[in-house]
Amino acid sequence: KAGVTQTPRYLIKTRGQQVTLSCSPISGHRSVSWYQQTPGQGLQFLFEYFSETQRNKGNFPGRFSGRQFSNSRSEMNVSTLELGDSALYLCASGNSRPTEAFFGQGTRLTVV
Amino acid sequence: GENVEQHPSTLSVQEGDSAVIKCTYSDSASNYFPWYKQELGKRPQLIIDIRSNVGEKKDQRIAVTLNKTAKHFSLHITETQPEDSAVYFCAASRDTGNQFYFGTGTSLTVIP
Repeated sequence: KAGVTQTPRYLIKTRGQQVTLSCSPISGHRSVSWYQQTPGQGLQFLFEYFSETQRNKGNFPGRFSGRQFSNSRSEMNVSTLELGDSALYLCASGNSRPTEAFFGQGTRLTVV
Repeated sequence: GENVEQHPSTLSVQEGDSAVIKCTYSDSASNYFPWYKQELGKRPQLIIDIRSNVGEKKDQRIAVTLNKTAKHFSLHITETQPEDSAVYFCAASRDTGNQFYFGTGTSLTVIP
């Protein structure tokens, strides 16, 4: 069974640009959650998509958005990048009820 | 929203000793509490979890205890080994989806 796949693995962007990250969940999983991981803040919840609908949302500004496609693949978009957006972005796939979250290897975003 | 606090932030133990990591949560509606281990440069992986209808759960050298009244839960690792060295995260979730609130992590070092 293939694991959770995130692309790209590394990104370098300039302030003000926008970026799109992709996450392909484990086959059969309909839930995809996104997290921002930074050394000081740990893992912070961005949002969760389930069956193409945003089911939960964290406390991030509107510059962070996402979507999910009919095959459960999800994308996260960050617009007007700021230096503080530099982080490891992790997605996790799971089932409808909270249970083990399977994480991808993450996308390391660096904003310069 | 939920607030999860985790202590200590760093922990060093001698090989063979026990390690205890403690977390508190604020939302009484949280009912699922997983623990994740993240080795350097790798993705977080579930090591044990507990639901609110259970007070304790064990899996070989790892155990988790939950006190719903006090809103705290703890991870216990016995007979620690060097390969237990990693960052450990606690998390809390309601039954409303895969929205996990994580603690800020504990960096555990097991000294041979």
